[in-house]
Order: sequence, then C-alpha cells, then structure tokens
Amino acid sequence: GDSVTQMEGPVTLSEEAFLTINCTYTATGYPSLFWYVQYPGEGLQLLLKATKADDKGSNKGFEATYRKETTSFHLEKGSVQVSDSAVYFCACTAGNNRKLIWGLGTSLAVNP
Amino acid sequence: KAGVTQTPRYLIKTRGQQVTLSCSPISGHRSVSWYQQTPGQGLQFLFEYFSETQRNKGNFPGRFSGRQFSNSRSEMNVSTLELGDSALYLCASSLAGQSNYGYTFGSGTRLTVV
Repeated sequence: GDSVTQMEGPVTLSEEAFLTINCTYTATGYPSLFWYVQYPGEGLQLLLKATKADDKGSNKGFEATYRKETTSFHLEKGSVQVSDSAVYFCACTAGNNRKLIWGLGTSLAVNP
Repeated sequence: KAGVTQTPRYLIKTRGQQVTLSCSPISGHRSVSWYQQTPGQGLQFLFEYFSETQRNKGNFPGRFSGRQFSNSRSEMNVSTLELGDSALYLCASSLAGQSNYGYTFGSGTRLTVV
C-alpha cells in the first residue's frame, strides 16, 4: 500500500552543521510531496512542497527535491540553527482521493 | 487572517466519558481534516469533511465521529473514552480539500483519559 518512510530520530546536531533527513515514498499515480514541521507545543506547519518530478521545494533555508527515480524527497539544510529544533514530517498524497500519507516524524535537536 | 482555531487546548476526561472537540478553519476554507497524533503511531488520519459531507475516513472505530456545519466549523466526538484515546488531536483546513496546496493545522487539543 501507499506509505512514507523517513529516517528515525532523534537527530542531534551542533549549530551550523549540515542537515539531511531522508524520506522515501510508495504511492500510486502522481503524488505531491510535502515536508511539515512541528515546533514544541504547536501544530504542524507546511515547510515546503513539490508537486512533480524534479521540482525543488525550498523555504527558510531548507530544500528538498522530488526524485521520482529513487522515490525520495530528502530534506536538507546547509547550516542549522538552534531555532530549527523541531519534529519534521514527510508526507505525500496518494490515490484518487489525494489523501495525505504521513511518515512517523523525525525529531531534530540543535545544540548551541 | 486568523489561523485554524481548536478548542479546548487541553482536556482531561475519565474512561467511559465522551468528549467533543471543536475546530474553526481559516475563513474561506471548506475542508477540515482531523488527525490523532501519538508518540508510538505518529499521525493517524481520522476523517475529512468538505461542505458538511464526510469525504474520507480513516480506520478508527465508530466511537470516533465528526460533523461539519454550514460555516465550515467542525466538531469531533469520541464516545466511551478509553485510555488509549489519550493523544493530541489535530485539525487541518484547506481551501477545497485538494492536498496539493497543503494544509494549515491548528495547535491541537491535548486529550488525557484517566
């Protein structure tokens, strides 16, 4: 069935380190792909998205490229900050009803 | 414009009771989706409403129900609460239910069943 798999956390980095959070998907049709971020005590916020193959979504220094050949949508940031500490969720649309399928989330902690 | 508003923010209930959670979407948004978030299971889709009609439904028992009003506000009800229902319940709204545009989430209602 349709699914999203993302790397398990927690991920702990020092400030200014390079970040990669892996995400792969299995979905029929032509899914759209998303990264959401959840800061402590808050709901989820859309971080970036890509709607077709080879599209690159970007926001707040984060990037992810829709790779159809590897069914991946890895999240990257060149230099993380303490304020990036949060849980990151990868998601894709699936099926004719375009229901969102979610990964389990990856917790990121950035230390000063 | 105002974001998605969920009330109450926190709730403590006893096993066997029922609970009603409320969600007001962004003005103009007609689609409201509900999710249950727990540490072990992640985000689980409950249901989606669009123009007062349930359009999609997840794999939850019939104790979980919802509805949407003509002003797009939505309520979710859980009857005969169980300890395992303790979770963060998130509501998300979108313009027309097409998730290509992404959803806007509320801050959630933290339900604790004791």
